[in-house]
Amino acid sequence: DAKTTQPTSMDCAEGRAANLPCNHSTISGNEYVYWYRQIHSQGPQYIIHGLKNNETNEMASLIITEDRKSSTLILPHATLRDTAVYYCIVRSPNNYGQNFVFGPGTRLSVLP
Amino acid sequence: NAGVTQTPKFQVLKTGQSMTLQCAQDMNHNSMYWYRQDPGMGLRLIYYSASEGTTDKGEVPNGYNVSRLNKREFSLRLESAAPSQTSVYFCASGNYGYTFGSGTRLTVV
Repeated sequence: DAKTTQPTSMDCAEGRAANLPCNHSTISGNEYVYWYRQIHSQGPQYIIHGLKNNETNEMASLIITEDRKSSTLILPHATLRDTAVYYCIVRSPNNYGQNFVFGPGTRLSVLP
Repeated sequence: NAGVTQTPKFQVLKTGQSMTLQCAQDMNHNSMYWYRQDPGMGLRLIYYSASEGTTDKGEVPNGYNVSRLNKREFSLRLESAAPSQTSVYFCASGNYGYTFGSGTRLTVV
């Protein structure tokens, strides 16, 4: 599975959009981009995933560049409860777990 | 509520003791996983089970054994606990998007 690169930490003002970038320049054609987050001491929570089209759900939007080498997770109106570590993972749907790698992620702090 | 249930939530063991961490899911997922998370680090895969009756090693399997008892249950066993196994253990299930349990916080003294 392709590796990802994320900033170590980011701050965002409450009520503003949080834009979390992820680079995955070695992504292959059948690999999806997944985003999870982990709020302190809890298990990771699935947010969204996509292949090449932009995706939106009730939690967030995922923007994938046309060359698929990078993506951005957007939390449209960040709240204090969105403070968490956000993980960007690239994974083939046929790879059942062995290389589903959670790296250090981006620590997002939403500030009042 | 549907999801992944882990027991126990907390455990303290002495070096050399054994224990089994239990995990059950009620979402009819084929695949289940065990991860560990050390302070300030990402999750590392210990073992996974792609389907009932199969198990495979992940990134850090040494010192652990697993059993996929049925489709719902996937247990993780520490035969002789060591201080290096002090960690938070997460079970997950799912084929594409994973659902995680709330974790077991294990301390080995």
